[in-house]
Amino acid sequence: AQSVSQHNHHVILSEAASLELGCNYSYGGTVNLFWYVQYPGQHLQLLLKYFSGDPLVKGIKGFEAEFIKSKFSFNLRKPSVQWSDTAEYFCAGWDTGRRALTFGSGTRLQVQP
Amino acid sequence: EAGVAQSPRYKIIEKRQSVAFWCNPISGHATLYWYQQILGQGPKLLIQFQNNGVVDDSQLPKDRFSAERLKGVDSTLKIQPAKLEDSAVYLCASSFSGAQGQPQHFGDGTRLSIL
Repeated sequence: AQSVSQHNHHVILSEAASLELGCNYSYGGTVNLFWYVQYPGQHLQLLLKYFSGDPLVKGIKGFEAEFIKSKFSFNLRKPSVQWSDTAEYFCAGWDTGRRALTFGSGTRLQVQP
Repeated sequence: EAGVAQSPRYKIIEKRQSVAFWCNPISGHATLYWYQQILGQGPKLLIQFQNNGVVDDSQLPKDRFSAERLKGVDSTLKIQPAKLEDSAVYLCASSFSGAQGQPQHFGDGTRLSIL
């Protein structure tokens, strides 16, 4: 079974700072990875996903993530954060056995104006 | 398109009472998921339906939790009797067919507090 870990539980940044949130996964077959975001009071939304091909994946709102197979990582990045990026971010992997997502514990991002 | 609808948004009950949550997935979505999200943790899959059949309920505490999707559309999740550790947000999600790679669309969740 696949597991996903996020080591940054709470990150505080100032506006315009660069962002990188860590995500590591355990290999369990075909690697399909996702980043979801949950803005305050809203439901989980898909930011981006990786299945194959170019390891650098671009998502919505200027986010991108890089799949590095040798490091078992899929870190989320954004060159310049905005106050509106304040949210909780979840990394998830597709568990091919269970045909469902396995989520990390999430990273709460707080962007200060 | 209309999103995944869940009700109620909030529920407070005492331990040993029963509670039920309702979910209406996006129209045409065959796969429906129930997740439990405990504070400080990521969502954990409880049960997955494909139409009205259960695909995976290996993480569902079957001594107290039950779920059904009788007509292959909306679904209910029940807890009876509730324990303190059941305090969590219960999320419903749906996808078109459950195939690998299809995005899951989430509802707003039901926040359950057990006193």
